[in-house]
Amino acid sequence: DTAVSQTPKYLVTQMGNDKSIKCEQNLGHDTMYWYKQDSKKFLKIMFSYNNKELIINETVPNRFSPKSPDKAHLNLHINSLELGDSAVYFCASAGGENIQYFGAGTRLSVL
Amino acid sequence: AQSVTQPDIHITVSEGASLELRCNYSYGATPYLFWYVQSPGQGLQLLLKYFSGDTLVQGIKGFEAEFKRSQSSFNLRKPSVHWSDAAEYFCAVAFRTGTASKLTFGTGTRLQVTL
Repeated sequence: DTAVSQTPKYLVTQMGNDKSIKCEQNLGHDTMYWYKQDSKKFLKIMFSYNNKELIINETVPNRFSPKSPDKAHLNLHINSLELGDSAVYFCASAGGENIQYFGAGTRLSVL
Repeated sequence: AQSVTQPDIHITVSEGASLELRCNYSYGATPYLFWYVQSPGQGLQLLLKYFSGDTLVQGIKGFEAEFKRSQSSFNLRKPSVHWSDAAEYFCAVAFRTGTASKLTFGTGTRLQVTL
């Protein structure tokens, strides 16, 4: 049973399109995150939600909008996709022990 | 602001040899420190963590790391590397912001294992 699952695993799309990535965790955690890993493997936090409330919002273009319908889900919607959005996006969740558990990632390719 | 430095971008070791991956951090308070491993095409798996107490921490897959406050370091070690250890290794430091904990990652060290 996968603890943090993301869908889709791969996403190929054209510039200008709108796409969503979904994330679900079955660990009972209150906090969820989105990270972006660029082509040089550098990982940077984008957003964090705690119990459906936005806690961390890094300097991310407002074309990126996270949505948390409940504390087990955190989705990432991206409008007007650009070439520079191509990356691997990781979802993570954490409980009170301060340890983040990561999903397998979604590789987004914008053509 | 907190930062993490992994000075080695790429390391190659022979199978059976010992391994040490370096990590230095910059952070004003007592850090929470982590090592994660990313195999090709996979997500990040937690190897070990340091929160407090004993400065030598044991992790999964035979890895250990030592926290040295005086050197602001948290180096990862393994006495005998296996070919399956080939992967990207990330050191990270966490600090709390409100009710969430924010991870700052180093740039990663790619480990290659030769047979």
